[in-house]
Amino acid sequence: GQQLNQSPQSMFIQEGEDVSMNCTSSSIFNTWLWYKQDPGEGPVLLIALYKAGELTSNGRLTAQFGITRKDSFLNISASIPSDVGIYFCAGQLGRGSTLGRLYFGRGTQLTVWP
Amino acid sequence: GAVVSQHPSWVICKSGTSVKIECRSLDFQATTMFWYRQFPKQSLMLMATSNEGSKATYEQGVEKDKFLINHASLTLSTLTVTSAHPEDSSFYICSATTPRSTDTQYFGPGTRLTVL
Repeated sequence: GQQLNQSPQSMFIQEGEDVSMNCTSSSIFNTWLWYKQDPGEGPVLLIALYKAGELTSNGRLTAQFGITRKDSFLNISASIPSDVGIYFCAGQLGRGSTLGRLYFGRGTQLTVWP
Repeated sequence: GAVVSQHPSWVICKSGTSVKIECRSLDFQATTMFWYRQFPKQSLMLMATSNEGSKATYEQGVEKDKFLINHASLTLSTLTVTSAHPEDSSFYICSATTPRSTDTQYFGPGTRLTVL
């Protein structure tokens, strides 16, 4: 299957700091997505990216679809305690139920100290 | 909109028994539903893709006779873990796509299965 390399694996930061995480793959993806998962819950979509080079924001979150279509990053500015959770990148090769399946990164565990 | 629910949220069963997990799209008709499993501190691994009225497509390495998927309606898919063993203990999560946005998956809250 497709391999998504997500880094860092974990981050421990102080409230107010900015955070950056990224994902790379050996394959070209049609879509990149970023999800957040709280303990014992399903993932929640944060940002979806559909075009190479696209830069999209959602509040304090900003994500970019890499020009090569093989990478993406997520930035969180001015972190707050409720940002704690696991952040997953995911990619789609194309559209439809087959090509549209999601390939997930291994996740970045974010801990925010008050 | 696009709310997906799962039932039960957690279940404990004895080894050898079967367990059924339901996935419902509450405010939309789901074009496709997906089933994932997630081990502690691991990523989500796709188990199968299910379209209403047709047989599920299983990922390589997933036993279709052990993980029975039924997608009888546009709002309900079920996953039955048959003859469960302790190694089947995991977090099972479903997702669904809407007719308007067939490539955006909305996830359910997950079901924690513990097999004793």
